[in-house]
Amino acid sequence: SQTIHQWPATLVQPVGSPLSLECTVEGTSNPNLYWYRQAAGRGLQLLFYSVGIGQISSEVPQNLSASRPQDRQFILSSKKLLLSDSGFYLCAWSATGTSGYEQYFGPGTRLTVT
Amino acid sequence: GNSVTQMEGPVTLSEEAFLTINCTYTATGYPSLFWYVQYPGEGLQLLLKATKADDKGSNKGFEATYRKETTSFHLEKGSVQVSDSAVYFCALRGSGGSYIPTFGRGTSLIVHP
Repeated sequence: SQTIHQWPATLVQPVGSPLSLECTVEGTSNPNLYWYRQAAGRGLQLLFYSVGIGQISSEVPQNLSASRPQDRQFILSSKKLLLSDSGFYLCAWSATGTSGYEQYFGPGTRLTVT
Repeated sequence: GNSVTQMEGPVTLSEEAFLTINCTYTATGYPSLFWYVQYPGEGLQLLLKATKADDKGSNKGFEATYRKETTSFHLEKGSVQVSDSAVYFCALRGSGGSYIPTFGRGTSLIVHP
């Protein structure tokens, strides 16, 4: 069966510090991968998605970046965090292909920038 | 572009009440439709889905029917429990080559004993 892992679960970082959040998927190959941010009491904002190794598409301009160094690994990074980067970060995967496929979400990382 | 509209929340019900959360969508072609649930402090989980018109998705007592004529996918449950308290998201994936799902803003459900 497939599983998705995210770490860390919670993180408190000062403004201006770097960030690295990691997501890995097990039990599937060549998944589509996604990073979302969820502000408190708000909906989902898609940040990045990837359809293959080294292929990253950005949905919103920001000081965040993403990388996919391996087929089932997706990393979200920042060189200098802003207060507005606080939120709940969710990684998700879906099967290769474009229609009819649901997403599977990780447990999330709660980031607080102080 | 595609869009999903959900009713504003929170929806507050007593245990064993009937639940309806409305969802309507705008999309070209024949999208697939989904309901996800998010319990406090957790990621989203797929609750049910429907991939073509008139399909009914169902799971854990919840159900939703894909109505193309009204572009709707309303979520229903006959008797809610306190444990159903969560945020519910309606979503679609368009046909014709889209990797990007479109989510509604979510509807919070609070069930009191």
